[in-house]
Amino acid sequence: SQTIHQWPATLVQPVGSPLSLECTVEGTSNPNLYWYRQAAGRGLQLLFYSVGIGQISSEVPQNLSASRPQDRQFILSSKKLLLSDSGFYLCAWNPLTGLAGIGTGELFFGEGSRLTVL
Amino acid sequence: GQNIDQPTEMTATEGAIVQINCTYQTSGFNGLFWYQQHAGEAPTFLSYNVLDGLEEKGRFSSFLSRSKGYSYLLLKELQMKDSASYLCAVLDSNYQLIWGAGTKLIIKP
Repeated sequence: SQTIHQWPATLVQPVGSPLSLECTVEGTSNPNLYWYRQAAGRGLQLLFYSVGIGQISSEVPQNLSASRPQDRQFILSSKKLLLSDSGFYLCAWNPLTGLAGIGTGELFFGEGSRLTVL
Repeated sequence: GQNIDQPTEMTATEGAIVQINCTYQTSGFNGLFWYQQHAGEAPTFLSYNVLDGLEEKGRFSSFLSRSKGYSYLLLKELQMKDSASYLCAVLDSNYQLIWGAGTKLIIKP
């Protein structure tokens, strides 16, 4: 069966420090991968998605970046965190590829990473 | 612009029935999803509607009217564990998921 894991689960970082969140999927190949951010009381905001190794699409211009060094590994990074980067970060995958290569099936989410920037 | 509206919070009694509404205005439509999210956890898939009508899955049912841009999630025989946020999301013409802010459902004994 397919599983998705992301870590760390919780982190508290000072403003200006770097960030690295990692996500891996097991039990499938060539998944579509996503990074979302959820702020309190707001809907899920798509940050990045990837349809293959080295293929990253950015949805929101900001100080975050993403990389997909391996088929089932997705990393979210920042060189310098801002206060506004605080939130609940979710990695997700789905196995279907739609017409736009984004995916039409349901999303499977990782456990989430709660980031607090002080 | 694209918009998904759902109530911020609802309260219901254990054993009762509750209906959570979702209205949407999106550029195209390729399906509507409902997810459940317990506090501090990731969302989990509940249902997917792409055609008009009612889809029933155990205690949960989801309804869609594409002409009205409207969906609802119906929860029957409420249990305390149903206390969670319920997220409505629409897949638009570019196959991008547009998410509502979620409805926090509080179940009282």
